[in-house]
Amino acid sequence: KAGVTQTPRYLIKTRGQQVTLSCSPISGHRSVSWYQQTPGQGLQFLFEYFSETQRNKGNFPGRFSGRQFSNSRSEMNVSTLELGDSALYLCASRPDSTGNSPLHFGNGTRLTVT
Amino acid sequence: GENVEQHPSTLSVQEGDSAVIKCTYSDSASNYFPWYKQELGKGPQLIIDIRSNVGEKKDQRIAVTLNKTAKHFSLHITETQPEDSAVYFCAASRGAAGNKLTFGGGTRVLVKP
Repeated sequence: KAGVTQTPRYLIKTRGQQVTLSCSPISGHRSVSWYQQTPGQGLQFLFEYFSETQRNKGNFPGRFSGRQFSNSRSEMNVSTLELGDSALYLCASRPDSTGNSPLHFGNGTRLTVT
Repeated sequence: GENVEQHPSTLSVQEGDSAVIKCTYSDSASNYFPWYKQELGKGPQLIIDIRSNVGEKKDQRIAVTLNKTAKHFSLHITETQPEDSAVYFCAASRGAAGNKLTFGGGTRVLVKP
């Protein structure tokens, strides 16, 4: 079974621009979560989607948004980029949203904001 | 909200020795505790997890112990090998629908041959 696939692997954007990251979950997994990883703040939860509905949201500003499609693929969008948004963005999937199944992570998208 | 503290932040061991990483959590309602290994350029990989109804779980050279009363859990790696060198993260979750994982700050493990 293929793992969680994230595209692109690397992105360089300028302050003020917006960016869209894509995630394809493991086949059969219906829940997709997004995490931000930085050296200073570590791994922080952004949001989780299940059956195209946002189930939970972390403490990030409204510039961070996401969505999930009917095939469980997900995208996250960051508008009006700031230098502090430079990070590794990780997508993770699991079969359901009960919290009883383990999360499997992709290799992330490295976003650099200049 | 939940807070997870992880120690040590770095750990250097000789090949063949054991490595122990400790985590404490604050939310007594947390009931699911996974451990992840992250290698350079890759995402975190689940290596073992434990639920609150179990005190210990073992998978080959890796074991995890949980003390619910003290709200701490530990990862034990025996007979360490160079390929065990990586950053390890503990995490905690309430395990209910939609609940997020709260991660510890990570431990960089270096296994010296």
